[in-house]
Amino acid sequence: LAKTTQPISMDSYEGQEVNITCSHNNIATNDYITWYQQFPSQGPRFIIQGYKTKVTNEVASLFIPADRKSSTLSLPRVSLSDTAVYYCLVGGGATNKLIFGTGTLLAVQP
Amino acid sequence: GAGVSQSPSNKVTEKGKDVELRCDPISGHTALYWYRQRLGQGLEFLIYFQGNSAPDKSGLPSDRFSAERTGESVSTLTIQRTQQEDSAVYLCASSLVEHLNTEAFFGQGTRLTVV
Repeated sequence: LAKTTQPISMDSYEGQEVNITCSHNNIATNDYITWYQQFPSQGPRFIIQGYKTKVTNEVASLFIPADRKSSTLSLPRVSLSDTAVYYCLVGGGATNKLIFGTGTLLAVQP
Repeated sequence: GAGVSQSPSNKVTEKGKDVELRCDPISGHTALYWYRQRLGQGLEFLIYFQGNSAPDKSGLPSDRFSAERTGESVSTLTIQRTQQEDSAVYLCASSLVEHLNTEAFFGQGTRLTVV
């Protein structure tokens, strides 16, 4: 399974756009890239998933370059409630086993 | 059901006792996962069930840990002779495994405290 690397923490202010980048140099051809969000005392929640180029939903955008060795989760105009840990996962090819990395703790300040 | 349900939500046990944690996945979800999350840390993969295939037990930390799943329904994670280092939140997730789809839905977890 491809290993992922992402920053341990990030700080932002309300109303700003936040971009969290994840490196996955060993991504396999069949692997998808998925991001989860986890609030304290809750289980992770699916945010967005993509294979290549750009994916956008009501919550976030996911940018994936052509070589797919990295991806960037973009959160537009964050609020205090977006303070959470964000996990990048790569997989879904031959197996759907989900391996979580250390995640990025995003702290949004007023 | 509406979501993944785990029980109990909290469990306090004495060191050396056995505990059973239960997970009710979303109906129809063929994949089921167990994770352990210690305070302030990330999710540690424990075990993965996929349909009728043999479970992937590669994440179980010791032979004191075991898990079972009946068909595509309820799963039970058992920890024997609990130790203080077993204290953590145990999270269960399920997913409808379609081609290359890995979206998983998590329960609220069981907080286990070993005293």
